[in-house]
Amino acid sequence: NAGVTQTPKFQVLKTGQSMTLQCAQDMNHNSMYWYRQDPGMGLRLIYYSASEGTTDKGEVPNGYNVSRLNKREFSLRLESAAPSQTSVYFCASSDQGMSYNSPLHFGNGTRLTVT
Amino acid sequence: KNEVEQSPQNLTAQEGEFITINCSYSVGISALHWLQQHPGGGIVSLFMLSSGKKKHGRLIATINIQEKHSSLHITASHPRDSAVYICAVDSYNTDKLIFGTGTRLQVFP
Repeated sequence: NAGVTQTPKFQVLKTGQSMTLQCAQDMNHNSMYWYRQDPGMGLRLIYYSASEGTTDKGEVPNGYNVSRLNKREFSLRLESAAPSQTSVYFCASSDQGMSYNSPLHFGNGTRLTVT
Repeated sequence: KNEVEQSPQNLTAQEGEFITINCSYSVGISALHWLQQHPGGGIVSLFMLSSGKKKHGRLIATINIQEKHSSLHITASHPRDSAVYICAVDSYNTDKLIFGTGTRLQVFP
C-alpha cells in the first residue's frame, strides 16, 4: 500500500520555467491538498480539493494552478517559476472533507529550488 | 502572535529520558493533530484528538480544551524518536488547519 506518492523528489528550475508536481493516493480519499513548507514557518496551504471535480484556493495560491485529474491524482503546476517559490512541497490526502476530523496522509515531499 | 505556538523550538535528550513537547493555540478548534517529520522529510500523522488523552506505544498526547493547550509526551525516548514534531489545529473560526513551526527533537544514545 503506497499511500501518497509524490514526484519528483528534487527539482531545480530557472526563473520563468514551468513544471508540474504530481501526486497520487491509493487510499480512495476524497480530499487532497498541496502545502509548502518554508524555514521558520508552519506548513501553508496552497490549494485543496475537497472532492473529485472541485478545487479551491488556500492561503498562498498565487503563482500556482492545480488539477484534480480524478479521485486519485492531484497535480500542482508552476507556470512561471520565481525564486520565492523555492520551498519544500507536500501533497496530502484525507478521507473526509475540509473538516480535518480525519488524519492527514502526506507524501514524502518535493524539494524545489528556483534560481 | 502566531495562532499556534510550540515549545520548546529545539530539544535534546539522552536516550531513556521522558520528553514533553507543548502546543498552545489561540483559536477555537474542533481537533488538534500531532505530526512527526522524519529527518528525511516525510511527515506522518501521530494523533488526532479533540478531548482527553490518546496513547500509542511510547507516545501520549493530551489536550485541555479550556486552557487551549496540548502536550505530546514520549516515554523512554530513543534515538529513532529524533524528528521534528508538529502541532496543527483545525480552526472552526477560519475553517482551516493551522500549523505550528515544529519542535526539533534530538535524542542521543
